[in-house]
Amino acid sequence: ILNVEQSPQSLHVQEGDSTNFTCSFPSSNFYALHWYRWETAKSPEALFVMTLNGDEKKKGRISATLNTKEGYSYLYIKGSQPEDSATYLCALDTGRRALTFGSGTRLQVQP
Amino acid sequence: DTAVSQTPKYLVTQMGNDKSIKCEQNLGHDTMYWYKQDSKKFLKIMFSYNNKELIINETVPNRFSPKSPDKAHLNLHINSLELGDSAVYFCASSRSEGGLQETQYFGPGTRLLVL
Repeated sequence: ILNVEQSPQSLHVQEGDSTNFTCSFPSSNFYALHWYRWETAKSPEALFVMTLNGDEKKKGRISATLNTKEGYSYLYIKGSQPEDSATYLCALDTGRRALTFGSGTRLQVQP
Repeated sequence: DTAVSQTPKYLVTQMGNDKSIKCEQNLGHDTMYWYKQDSKKFLKIMFSYNNKELIINETVPNRFSPKSPDKAHLNLHINSLELGDSAVYFCASSRSEGGLQETQYFGPGTRLLVL
């Protein structure tokens, strides 16, 4: 069974705080890692697809890093805003293009 | 314009019935997927199709049958619905040309409740 683990499960921060979460995966199964942002009752929205060890990607205040050798990725949000409140999912592609998702980190940003 | 759309959004039905969920994408993608959000809220792959051909079929009861009439559509038919089939079903699509760097785009989900 392929385990993709995310921590923490949930996070409450104040507006303006910077935060980060972790996605861990078996490094031997790695082909690509996807990050999604998922608001309740909406479609998961793609943030990043990462394939190279040491890769770093950025989209506005959100960035992600990847370490394929040790099997983890970090997602960072700088200066959190209430509209950043969502569940952040990571998903591993082991080469089949079928994604194995973690359970997500639920972020709540208080104004 | 909605990129990946699913119908219906909500489906309430009785045990034993047969129902279908439709998915359409207007992104010009050649690969489509069905995922199920299980009771623990994980999204799990059920099927994927590339150019109308089945390429992934996870351990899913054979009461579930996907059908891809063309590259833009992937429908999910479920026979003899059971209580445990209650879940949210998500359709997704992607291109295959970019290999594993291609993003999967998700539909809004269909909430199925079997009574």
